Amino acid sequence: DVQLVESGGGLVQPGGSRKLSCAASGFTFSSFGMHWVRQAPEKGLEWVAYISSGSSTIYYADTVKGRFTISRDNPKNTLFLQMTSLRSEDTAMYYCARAGTYFDVWGAGTTVTVSS
Amino acid sequence: DIQMTQSPASLSASVGETVTITCRASENIYSYLAWYQQKQGKSPQLLVYNAKTLAEGVPSRFSGSGSGTQFSLKINSLQPEDFGSYYCQHHYGTLYTFGGGTKLEIK
Repeated sequence: DVQLVESGGGLVQPGGSRKLSCAASGFTFSSFGMHWVRQAPEKGLEWVAYISSGSSTIYYADTVKGRFTISRDNPKNTLFLQMTSLRSEDTAMYYCARAGTYFDVWGAGTTVTVSS
Repeated sequence: DIQMTQSPASLSASVGETVTITCRASENIYSYLAWYQQKQGKSPQLLVYNAKTLAEGVPSRFSGSGSGTQFSLKINSLQPEDFGSYYCQHHYGTLYTFGGGTKLEIK
């Protein structure tokens, strides 16, 4: 089965850092671009970042540009999101999603809470 | 940046009814629009892409239409499993903006 499994979430202090991972299985990871999308509690979806299959193209939402870094390890079928200078407004469920036909496969998400 | 405006923000309907959700783009996005369904506590699922193409496994009671700046998602004969939240999303350029969402509740 095609599957994405996020990990790395947790409680982080304001100004701190956290690295999220997304393990892919059931498809040729190196052939697909990947996204991170987040959802604050009781709020809508917010696209965060995109990385192409070979990492040559990367885009960020303005709200995270300069603070978050998306990367991937194709031999290990893993996507990453390095988050720094975290703020309370970064508190959210973070999903990874495959860039197939739009966002065609989603993980279950990992929760990041930024609080002192 | 392109803004996506969904309406209504919430909607109450009964099983068997037909509902329509609309999405307006702040500029022309041609047909680069998708719709997602999200049930409570679950991750979103792709319903429609390229404005009107149903994703694999999506029931035919769902239909998408529109192009340019005006789009809609229609659900015929609502089923209990259709209740949840719906989001439109554009992919035009280098950003992937979601609409604010529509919460569809049981009347």
